[in-house]
Amino acid sequence: DSGVTQTPKHLITATGQRVTLRCSPRSGDLSVYWYQQSLDQGLQFLIQYYNGEERAKGNILERFSAQQFPDLHSELNLSSLELGDSALYFCASSALGGETQYFGPGTRLLVL
Amino acid sequence: QQQVKQSPQSLIVQKGGISIINCAYENTAFDYFPWYQQFPGKGPALLIAIRPDVSEKKEGRFTISFNKSAKQFSLHIMDSQPGDSATYFCAASIGSRTGFQKLVFGTGTRLLVSP
Repeated sequence: DSGVTQTPKHLITATGQRVTLRCSPRSGDLSVYWYQQSLDQGLQFLIQYYNGEERAKGNILERFSAQQFPDLHSELNLSSLELGDSALYFCASSALGGETQYFGPGTRLLVL
Repeated sequence: QQQVKQSPQSLIVQKGGISIINCAYENTAFDYFPWYQQFPGKGPALLIAIRPDVSEKKEGRFTISFNKSAKQFSLHIMDSQPGDSATYFCAASIGSRTGFQKLVFGTGTRLLVSP
């Protein structure tokens, strides 16, 4: 168990809808990262937050947004969902200056 | 330039054998090279990592070999066990020492260790 929690575990929704994925980092970790894992694209870095501020951006679509709250939990919002957004979404966290990213169990999103 | 190329895509090794997975990169600014192990239904977990100033790092049955001039690194699993059956991802990042790193992952290798 990495200490990173993600909810929900599974999500089934329809095209055009909006969903919110939630992540709680390990105790004391200030950095949160979001990744998308799909069969054709592999593991892709989406975005990083550090202590509430956006610090690094990867291949994140404009339809996707994220934020980190004062209690350090983070949410990834996916809107105007398309079939191709079906994937596993992972959250990871790390300590300040820490190289190791600890991954959560993921949220499996299915867009029908 | 941000890509990390990983091979093979899948690998079958007999119990007790050596599993070898290779990765190559282009961006010489990468300063941290971790390997992650992922079991079905789980998130990736750090297995072992190396910095480019070291040519080899060993932790138990797992060894990373790093060739800076060739821009290649590989994972060797000695005495492979059925419990090692998982998907392995190599990765590379810039800015790891600042804590603000972007991990670029390889495409993954599905390892099956036969009993």
